[in-house]
Amino acid sequence: DAGVIQSPRHEVTEMGQEVTLRCKPISGHDYLFWYRQTMMRGLELLIYFNNNVPIDDSGMPEDRFSAKMPNASFSTLKIQPSEPRDSAVYFCASSHWTGHNYGYTFGSGTRLTVV
Amino acid sequence: QKEVEQDPGPLSVPEGAIVSLNCTYSNSAFQYFMWYRQYSRKGPELLMYTYSSGNKEDGRFTAQVDKSSKYISLFIRDSQPSDSATYLCAMSGGYGGSQGNLIFGKGTKLSVKP
Repeated sequence: DAGVIQSPRHEVTEMGQEVTLRCKPISGHDYLFWYRQTMMRGLELLIYFNNNVPIDDSGMPEDRFSAKMPNASFSTLKIQPSEPRDSAVYFCASSHWTGHNYGYTFGSGTRLTVV
Repeated sequence: QKEVEQDPGPLSVPEGAIVSLNCTYSNSAFQYFMWYRQYSRKGPELLMYTYSSGNKEDGRFTAQVDKSSKYISLFIRDSQPSDSATYLCAMSGGYGGSQGNLIFGKGTKLSVKP
């Protein structure tokens, strides 16, 4: 299995531009999570999906952030318009629920820099 | 008080030392306790998993959970330079058919010097 695949690995954009981050979860996993990691705040959960349905988006910082999961093998996180304070590493993770929480598998992340 | 507290370090030890990493938490509903290892510019990877209280050993790594004190630990024996990474604790409730969100500590940066 190729694991959780994220693209792009690095993104540098100007303030005000739209940014789209992409994620392909592990096949067969029914949960997908988007996290943001910064030095100050650590790993923060932004939103998670179960069977392609958004379950909890309370971590999304503001309306500039949106996430979709059109099918079981693809999800996007969009920031429009982007701001310098959005600079962070964004991780996608997936898992399969079997009645116990055995943790998540993370992708390698997208390092976003907004200038 | 934050749900999960973890000393960010950095922690520097000589090769071969025993390393102790710790987290405290406030939510008594947590049942699943994990340790993730994150190398520089990589995603976190699951290192150890424990359900409820007790100890779990895997090679040079031992995870301990003390629910009465709301305290978890990770011990690394005979530490190696390849153990140099950031270690994040994570925990969740995950009951009643719910996945339960993993709550992460901020991570402790460990450096093992040859």
